[in-house]
Amino acid sequence: QKEVEQDPGPLSVPEGAIVSLNCTYSNSAFQYFMWYRQYSRKGPELLMYTYSSGNKEDGRFTAQVDKSSKYISLFIRDSQPSDSATYLCAMSEAAGNKLTFGGGTRVLVKP
Amino acid sequence: SAVISQKPSRDICQRGTSLTIQCQVDSQVTMMFWYRQQPGQSLTLIATANQGSEATYESGFVIDKFPISRPNLTFSTLTVSNMSPEDSSIYLCSVEVAGAGSGELFFGEGSRLTVL
Repeated sequence: QKEVEQDPGPLSVPEGAIVSLNCTYSNSAFQYFMWYRQYSRKGPELLMYTYSSGNKEDGRFTAQVDKSSKYISLFIRDSQPSDSATYLCAMSEAAGNKLTFGGGTRVLVKP
Repeated sequence: SAVISQKPSRDICQRGTSLTIQCQVDSQVTMMFWYRQQPGQSLTLIATANQGSEATYESGFVIDKFPISRPNLTFSTLTVSNMSPEDSSIYLCSVEVAGAGSGELFFGEGSRLTVL
């Protein structure tokens, strides 16, 4: 079993819909949780960063962390074709520690 | 954040040769990491590049195959030695901005390596 599980997709949604992404993990020591967006042939771009449990909102993006269930989510509201990319969850035990990544979910937003 | 430049952005290499990838950051950073992303896969940490000392390698990666240098707080190199087709991957430099202490890591654009 992988340390971080993420559905590979692809997840196809119409423009304007809400995109719902999630990851589950097994290591209870993870404290820092991140979501990255990666366009084809580009490096990952940090989208959202949260520490411990709770919600964080930034524009159209909302990240949720439920440490009791070892489950994190990313929601994208009013999705746009430009949101089409692979979304990677990542987590670490402490600041400056290595990140453990999920496998990534490919998202396609259709106009 | 930080601006991270990697060179080369892509290369095609012959089996048995070696290639050095450079990572330059526009500000001093405490932590610098090298990741590999194989085709269709997620990112796997190769090593942590330590300034002024030997890199710390993850399980499955060794210094003879992936020697790393980090002469200062803004620059690092990763060499992929004696390459085989299995080394065809994207190699990514990642940094945590100095003083942030937040755990936020930023990535370069990556170096896409194809080994024939």
